[in-house]
Amino acid sequence: LAKITQPISMDSYEGQEVNITCSHNNIATNDYITWYQQFPSQGPRFIIQGYKTKVTNEVASLFIPADRKSSTLSLPRVSLSDTAVYYCLVGDIGSTTDKLIFGTGTRLQVFP
Amino acid sequence: DTGVSQNPRHKITKRGQNVTFRCDPISEHNRLYWYRQTLGQGPEFLTYFQNEAQLEKSRLLSDRFSAERPKGSFSTLEIQRTEQGDSAMYLCASSLVGGGGSTDTQYFGPGTRLTVL
Repeated sequence: LAKITQPISMDSYEGQEVNITCSHNNIATNDYITWYQQFPSQGPRFIIQGYKTKVTNEVASLFIPADRKSSTLSLPRVSLSDTAVYYCLVGDIGSTTDKLIFGTGTRLQVFP
Repeated sequence: DTGVSQNPRHKITKRGQNVTFRCDPISEHNRLYWYRQTLGQGPEFLTYFQNEAQLEKSRLLSDRFSAERPKGSFSTLEIQRTEQGDSAMYLCASSLVGGGGSTDTQYFGPGTRLTVL
């Protein structure tokens, strides 16, 4: 299965906007892109999901270019509590191939 | 409803023993997923159920791994003859999906951390 890559780590300061990218060159037509946040010893927590263009909710935005080979999670005005590992998940269930692949994860550290 | 629950949260066993983990999904969620996560890695998809039917199990790591969801509600994941390499976090997720192949949002439980001595 194709590997989905993310930057290993990112640093930011409170109040800044953070953009985390995910590279998924072999994304299939039916695949969706979902982002999760994970704290130590906890299960992943859903942030946002999209298929193309831009999606926004109360906590984040997701930007997906036309070729869908990458995606960017945007966190506006991060706080200390946003320090966590962020994963993108690419795949689809119920189509011709049941596939769910997590990215390599990005460790975000927010400083005061 | 408090979300997806998993029991036990921690399990320590000796090599060669069998272990079973339980997952209770969010009420009325029709899909249930199992993942394995090793330290520093993203979760690895193992299998999933649509109601009581196990629709994908080719990703189970070996024939020592099996999962059931007998009544379409809770699920169990069993590992027989455990090995040290089975030490990991085992995550369960559930989702509610409408008809045929629509996207779903998975909600994860806290996981069961397995340590094989």
